[in-house]
Amino acid sequence: AQSVTQPDIHITVSEGASLELRCNYSYGATPYLFWYVQSPGQGLQLLLKYFSGDTLVQGIKGFEAEFKRSQSSFNLRKPSVHWSDAAEYFCAQSGSARQLTFGSGTQLTVLP
Amino acid sequence: DTAVSQTPKYLVTQMGNDKSIKCEQNLGHDTMYWYKQDSKKFLKIMFSYNNKELIINETVPNRFSPKSPDKAHLNLHINSLELGDSAVYFCASSQERGPQYFGPGTRLTVT
Repeated sequence: AQSVTQPDIHITVSEGASLELRCNYSYGATPYLFWYVQSPGQGLQLLLKYFSGDTLVQGIKGFEAEFKRSQSSFNLRKPSVHWSDAAEYFCAQSGSARQLTFGSGTQLTVLP
Repeated sequence: DTAVSQTPKYLVTQMGNDKSIKCEQNLGHDTMYWYKQDSKKFLKIMFSYNNKELIINETVPNRFSPKSPDKAHLNLHINSLELGDSAVYFCASSQERGPQYFGPGTRLTVT
């Protein structure tokens, strides 16, 4: 069965610091990978996606993610975090059935 | 215009009742989905549906049923509501295996 692991339940960073959120996937073929962000009381917003090609993908709000097949990872990064980035972040993969399998999420707190 | 919309945003009801949540997408996508987010924020697929195929997550009770009057709508019907059904339900849509776009969610509270 497909699974997505986000090892960090909660991360705290200071505003202006760099950020890396970890994600590991399990899927035999080339997965379709996504990062979503959920602000409190809101729906999920797509940050970026990886289907194939360049392993470094750029997303909205200054986020990027790198696909590493050898490590089965798709980590999300941002060079300088803003207070408005505080939210829940979900990594997800899509298999042949199109349905998304989500990780358990990482709660990001940003300190002033 | 909102890409994926859901109504109602909040739904409070008693155990044993039957309720529906509506979802509409104006993106022209061919597939729609329902996800459940529990109190720990874990998201789990319930259904995916296009005009050819309904895929049901095997863990979903048969009290839950999706109904699609047309390609742009996928409603969720829930019979005999239970306390454990309390959650946030998200509708989403995609074109083939493309990225999924989510609605704002419906918070269901069963008392």
